[in-house]
Amino acid sequence: GDSVTQTEGPVTLSEGTSLTVNCSYETKQYPTLFWYVQYPGEGPQLLFKVPKANEKGSNRGFEATYNKEATSFHLQKASVQESDSAVYYCALSNSNNRIFFGDGTQLVVKP
Amino acid sequence: GGIITQTPKFLIGQEGQKLTLKCQQNFNHDTMYWYRQDSGKGLRLIYYSITENDLQKGDLSEGYDASREKKSSFSLTVTSAQKNEMAVFLCASSPDWGGSYEQYFGPGTRLTVL
Repeated sequence: GDSVTQTEGPVTLSEGTSLTVNCSYETKQYPTLFWYVQYPGEGPQLLFKVPKANEKGSNRGFEATYNKEATSFHLQKASVQESDSAVYYCALSNSNNRIFFGDGTQLVVKP
Repeated sequence: GGIITQTPKFLIGQEGQKLTLKCQQNFNHDTMYWYRQDSGKGLRLIYYSITENDLQKGDLSEGYDASREKKSSFSLTVTSAQKNEMAVFLCASSPDWGGSYEQYFGPGTRLTVL
């Protein structure tokens, strides 16, 4: 079945350092890929989505490229801020219109 | 813009008790969802409703019932709460049934069973 595997957290970084959260997916279909972010006390919210292979999505300094050959969608940011502390979810939706979430990666950014 | 409201914010129950969680959205979205979020795990789909008067089971529906009372509201019932159960239940909505649509989430109801 379809699944998403992402970096196990927590990931702890200092402000100003770079971030990579790995995301790999399995599906036999042609998915749309998502990154959601969940801040403490809130529900997840969409960071960005990419519906097509080999395209890049970005928002708030975060970016990820839909790599169909490697079945990956790694999240990157060049310089994290304390306000980026949150849980990040990678997700895919398939042509059956179901969405599958990874287990989430908690990011802790220290000042 | 719109908002999803979940009530209650915190729910404490006893083992074997029937518990109901409520969700309201003012986006005028057709599709609504209930997810369970356990610590360190992803979001697992319990029930969803494509349109008003529709109900579909997700991957984790055993032990739960759902009701789509009207387009804007979607309730979830834990039919018999399990002792030591702790989880956050998230309600979400999307404009239509389609995987490429963004889902909008509420803040969650945190359940504790004593």
